[in-house]
Amino acid sequence: GAGVSQSPSNKVTEKGKDVELRCDPISGHTALYWYRQRLGQGLEFLIYFQGNSAPDKSGLPSDRFSAERTGESVSTLTIQRTQQEDSAVYLCASSTLPGDPYEQYFGPGTRLTVT
Amino acid sequence: GENVEQHPSTLSVQEGDSAVIKCTYSDSASNYFPWYKQELGKRPQLIIDIRSNVGEKKDQRIAVTLNKTAKHFSLHITETQPEDSAVYFCAAQNTGGFKTIFGAGTRLFVKA
Repeated sequence: GAGVSQSPSNKVTEKGKDVELRCDPISGHTALYWYRQRLGQGLEFLIYFQGNSAPDKSGLPSDRFSAERTGESVSTLTIQRTQQEDSAVYLCASSTLPGDPYEQYFGPGTRLTVT
Repeated sequence: GENVEQHPSTLSVQEGDSAVIKCTYSDSASNYFPWYKQELGKRPQLIIDIRSNVGEKKDQRIAVTLNKTAKHFSLHITETQPEDSAVYFCAAQNTGGFKTIFGAGTRLFVKA
């Protein structure tokens, strides 16, 4: 079946512009996660959704970052007034069953470059 | 805050040798410990996981051990092959939630 998809695959933007990244999780997966991975670095947790709710937003780096999810499906991560340090690959993942930890299936990521 | 430390950052072994990667975590509420493999330019994929009620789990050439008292868990790869070359990430997930903290990763090189 279809896996997690993300769009765009690559995004180049100028400093100060806003960007919106999209994630389509596996159908039926109730949990959805966003991570940031800088070049050669590990996965930095940003936020997760349980259904359409985000119980823990503590991983968002600043108030320029926001995320939402609708219909327990697609999620968007928005970065306002982008800065060069925002350049990274943004990975989305989804998993099954609320209330029980489970394997996360990752999307291919969106490579964001801020010039 | 929660933290996962992973060592070593780079590991080079000869084909056929064993490789061991170690992680420690800080959140005592963590109860699920997955390991992900990320090949160059690709997405991370789960290779093995362990839950807090188990001390060891094995899947062919890969095994993971967990010491909850010491908050340590380790990945063991035996009979390494060149295709094992990748970055390996450990992670810890806390009870009742989905927040997952990843280690910084170990770049494994298996020399033929």
